[in-house]
Amino acid sequence: DGGITQSPKYLFRKEGQNVTLSCEQNLNHDAMYWYRQDPGQGLRLIYYSQIVNDFQKGDIAEGYSVSREKKESFPLTVTSAQKNPTAFYLCASSIDRGVTEAFFGQGTRLTVV
Amino acid sequence: GNSVTQMEGPVTLSEEAFLTINCTYTATGYPSLFWYVQYPGEGLQLLLKATKADDKGSNKGFEATYRKETTSFHLEKGSVQVSDSAVYFCALRNYGGSQGNLIFGKGTKLSVKP
Repeated sequence: DGGITQSPKYLFRKEGQNVTLSCEQNLNHDAMYWYRQDPGQGLRLIYYSQIVNDFQKGDIAEGYSVSREKKESFPLTVTSAQKNPTAFYLCASSIDRGVTEAFFGQGTRLTVV
Repeated sequence: GNSVTQMEGPVTLSEEAFLTINCTYTATGYPSLFWYVQYPGEGLQLLLKATKADDKGSNKGFEATYRKETTSFHLEKGSVQVSDSAVYFCALRNYGGSQGNLIFGKGTKLSVKP
């Protein structure tokens, strides 16, 4: 089945640690995205990538980093510089950067302990 | 710039009631419009879409019509079920550059009571 796989589903991080969230897609999509979701705030864009080895900051990129070494993979690292990392993180992909729909993974819930 | 405004919830309905969730947008040109649904603890699923003015998107009994004259894309369902309880997001995508990103409304939580 084609789709987007995020792992892990739940992640716990100690303060001061970096953690990496995985996102893999087998849809052969060029564009991939990371969103953060907080209660009552909808979805906010962290980073996006249109092609391999290229990515752009979204609205709330501070404290996050990404890589796009392969078309199917777009991992997100939450660094210790992110002051309030507890949130639900969603990865998405789309065929291109036009007006087609995007497809989402099941999300990773990150909690700082 | 591009933006989406949708009615704030929560919305609580009885089973078989009529549902409307309002969504209006601001955008230049001709964006595509979407409704996504999110069940508790899950990612977003595409519910329906419309890519040009007067298009009607429909799926699972839900409908929305792309109204360019009123810049609206209201979600409707004639008879809701308990299983429709979820958060609904209106979104748009526009052409080119950073405009190619999905822009979301803040979401409307729907609770349907038996």
